[in-house]
Amino acid sequence: ELKVEQNPLFLSMQEGKNYTIYCNYSTTSDRLYWYRQDPGKSLESLFVLLSNGAVKQEGRLMASLDTKARLSTLHITAAVHDLSATYFCAVEEFYFGTGTSLTVIP
Amino acid sequence: NAGVMQNPRHLVRRRGQEARLRCSPMKGHSHVYWYRQLPEEGLKFMVYLQKENIIDESGMPKERFSAEFPKEGPSILRIQQVVRGDSAAYFCASSAKPYEQYFGPGTRLTVT
Repeated sequence: ELKVEQNPLFLSMQEGKNYTIYCNYSTTSDRLYWYRQDPGKSLESLFVLLSNGAVKQEGRLMASLDTKARLSTLHITAAVHDLSATYFCAVEEFYFGTGTSLTVIP
Repeated sequence: NAGVMQNPRHLVRRRGQEARLRCSPMKGHSHVYWYRQLPEEGLKFMVYLQKENIIDESGMPKERFSAEFPKEGPSILRIQQVVRGDSAAYFCASSAKPYEQYFGPGTRLTVT
């Protein structure tokens, strides 16, 4: 079974700082998703990455994919409080990471 | 265009009862996925359906759980003889084409 590991599991960061969330997976795949989930809410799709070297950006979030390393990253630039949420990566539609709970502190 | 609808949003069942969770995909979407999320955990894939067909049920427990997506009407996830361990949030997602999923608001099942 394909395994997906995210780290860190918990991330507390100050507003204005940059940080990266990592998503490693155990076997090759051709698609990688990033989602955001607010407490008690459903999942919001952020990015889908379909090829090696793919990079997508939306606002302060940028996601990248290295299929050879089986690694995706979600980079946060100049964090703001509104980004506080749990972020999940998922390989294909079937294998989700454990999530990274992000808290942005003023 | 309405989003993915799930009902009920909250469901309380006693041990041994049946739970029926409904998912109405977005208009034009013929693919439905069901997931379970335990408290403080990530999502676990359960089943992937297209109209009238189960495509992948590898994440579905072998007993007590079943799913369907009929030609007309919503997709239904059915849990028979619920136990406390079934308490979780159940999400469905729909898509019309690959790589584009839209999630419903979820059904929070509590088994007492």
